Amino acid sequence: AQTVTQSQPEMSVQEAETVTLSCTYDTSESDYYLFWYKQPPSRQMILVIRQEAYKQQNATENRFSVNFQKAAKSFSLKISDSQLGDAAMYFCASLPRGSNYKLTFGKGTLLTVNP
Amino acid sequence: DGGITQSPKYLFRKEGQNVTLSCEQNLNHDAMYWYRQDPGQGLRLIYYSQIVNDFQKGDIAEGYSVSREKKESFPLTVTSAQKNPTAFYLCASTKLGTSKQETQYFGPGTRLLVL
Repeated sequence: AQTVTQSQPEMSVQEAETVTLSCTYDTSESDYYLFWYKQPPSRQMILVIRQEAYKQQNATENRFSVNFQKAAKSFSLKISDSQLGDAAMYFCASLPRGSNYKLTFGKGTLLTVNP
Repeated sequence: DGGITQSPKYLFRKEGQNVTLSCEQNLNHDAMYWYRQDPGQGLRLIYYSQIVNDFQKGDIAEGYSVSREKKESFPLTVTSAQKNPTAFYLCASTKLGTSKQETQYFGPGTRLLVL
């Protein structure tokens, strides 16, 4: 069974600053995918970034980057130059390859961006 | 525009009543999923389908039913057997057989309330 743990229920950051959201996961699979999704007040789930476990290089998408530590089973999200529009609930999720694409989600971190 | 639509946005259910939530996609995606989101929780998988006329139970299927008669549509029925249906329901889909087949894209959600 997969488990995903987000230890920070809430985080806050000043506009233009950098913030890191934590995520740890547990899996017995050797090949899997990790995701960060963003859920703004509209409640639409939006994909932020995707990481394939067999790739050593950390994924980046503009101001969003991850720190993937496979041995530690850690997958943190770094948001640089935070903007007011980044305020949202952020969910970490895992998906083992060949699992019929069943995502397992953490409970989320609520990010507040202060002007 | 291509995308995933869910209707209605809000739905009210009376005791003992079955209600059906609609999910439609015009992305030519193969697999479709239903998730339930409760306050302070991540998403939990209810049902999923990878092909027309076939579907599998997720982690919390009791009290729910689905059908997949068309590739574009995956309606979810919340039956009277579901004793605590108040939640936010999200539909997702993915295109299989591609380099991004693990990535699920979400609809805007339906909020179900019990009267």
